[in-house]
Amino acid sequence: GAGVSQTPSNKVTEKGKYVELRCDPISGHTALYWYRQSLGQGPEFLIYFQGTGAADDSGLPNDRFFAVRPEGSVSTLKIQRTERGDSAVYLCASSPGTGVGYGYTFGSGTRLTVV
Amino acid sequence: AQSVAQPEDQVNVAEGNPLTVKCTYSVSGNPYLFWYVQYPNRGLQFLLKYITGDNLVKGSYGFEAEFNKSQTSFHLKKPSALVSDSALYFCAVIRWEQNSGGYQKVTFGIGTKLQVIP
Repeated sequence: GAGVSQTPSNKVTEKGKYVELRCDPISGHTALYWYRQSLGQGPEFLIYFQGTGAADDSGLPNDRFFAVRPEGSVSTLKIQRTERGDSAVYLCASSPGTGVGYGYTFGSGTRLTVV
Repeated sequence: AQSVAQPEDQVNVAEGNPLTVKCTYSVSGNPYLFWYVQYPNRGLQFLLKYITGDNLVKGSYGFEAEFNKSQTSFHLKKPSALVSDSALYFCAVIRWEQNSGGYQKVTFGIGTKLQVIP
């Protein structure tokens, strides 16, 4: 597609529920990143995929968070037993390569609200 | 560890006046610096970057930034502000991670809200 697509754009869920957030990167982009932006903060790194594999998941806050990219394109961020502190905007970005000069293209994000 | 500081939560400027949004950084090795802009309910949009070369970098929408190594700064500037420039601006520094075949890892500042007053 023309840009990075994230669905849903908004998600409201009850505390304790399971949620899935989807990211559809730009076609052909091999690198995919998930970031979390809490209110009043800059985006914080969660996980990086090169192809199908999670090359760096050091930013995932705990084992309730998990992400997959089974075919090297679409990625899903999964959050189990959601907590109110998980409320944030979850941003996905993709890049055509891993070189420093490439930069990222970001999606519009999924605003997750846990009530 | 690398870090980015944006010392101003908000910057107010009158339309037509020059604007500056400040950013300082801390990295080991060569800095790779970016500016992004975020409009309400939109994703982050790339404005400009410094990788190497000229210290004055020109980017989208008439913005430019000056890399100053001695002051470890990368301030965003525009000669004449527009009301439509009102948005949230993020400075970011990239570190090159050697493992996993090598990749870029970005650290963002907390953002500065720019308000251009008509």
